[in-house]
Amino acid sequence: DIQMTQSPSTLSASVGDRVTITCRASQSISSWLAWYQQKPGKAPKLLIYEASSLESGVPSRFSGSGSGTEFTLTISSLQPDDFASYYCQQYNEYPLTFGGGTKVEIK
Amino acid sequence: QVQLQQSGPGLVKPSQTLSLTCAISGDSVSSNSAAWNWIRQSPSRGLEWLGRTYYRSKWYNDYAVSVKSRITINPDTSKNQFSLQLNSVTPEDTAVYFCARVGTTVTTRYFDYWGQGTLVTVSS
Repeated sequence: DIQMTQSPSTLSASVGDRVTITCRASQSISSWLAWYQQKPGKAPKLLIYEASSLESGVPSRFSGSGSGTEFTLTISSLQPDDFASYYCQQYNEYPLTFGGGTKVEIK
Repeated sequence: QVQLQQSGPGLVKPSQTLSLTCAISGDSVSSNSAAWNWIRQSPSRGLEWLGRTYYRSKWYNDYAVSVKSRITINPDTSKNQFSLQLNSVTPEDTAVYFCARVGTTVTTRYFDYWGQGTLVTVSS
């Protein structure tokens, strides 16, 4: 199985900050990576697919980059609604696997 | 707009069977361009894909190795839904269970629609 490792596991930031989350795959997954946002008690919500494609309706302050084994999710200017947990997921092959998550907290 | 509505009990006794259903609206369980999945989330295991069912002229299933001996995912075309059965549960199976849709090509195998989640507790 492909292992997905996210860092950091927790991130403290303020409104307006630029935030970057990293995801590493244990082997190359080309650009087959998605990012999700999850709030407490809710299902994950798709933000980005194919490493850098923004899902419809997602604010443009979210962006993704990377290919192969190294990927990043960037929030250009953190908004109050963005305090949540974020997960990466590889879909290069089954079983589909997720990173351990990054919780973005208020500083 | 695709919607997935989960139903099923939130408490299951050890050694018994966990059963959940996911009703689909806005798409078809028999779609040739979708696969229907179950995923669970717990503090100890994170987000864990459990398995999928999909139709390509006939029905197929894939299951995670960790649960392969205990899991069944079945489509129900008459009700446009699919179900999860997990046998011989233990407290380790306590988790929030989600149903979700993915596309069928490698370019679309991300989860674009999710059910609301069901917390299932395994306890006597």
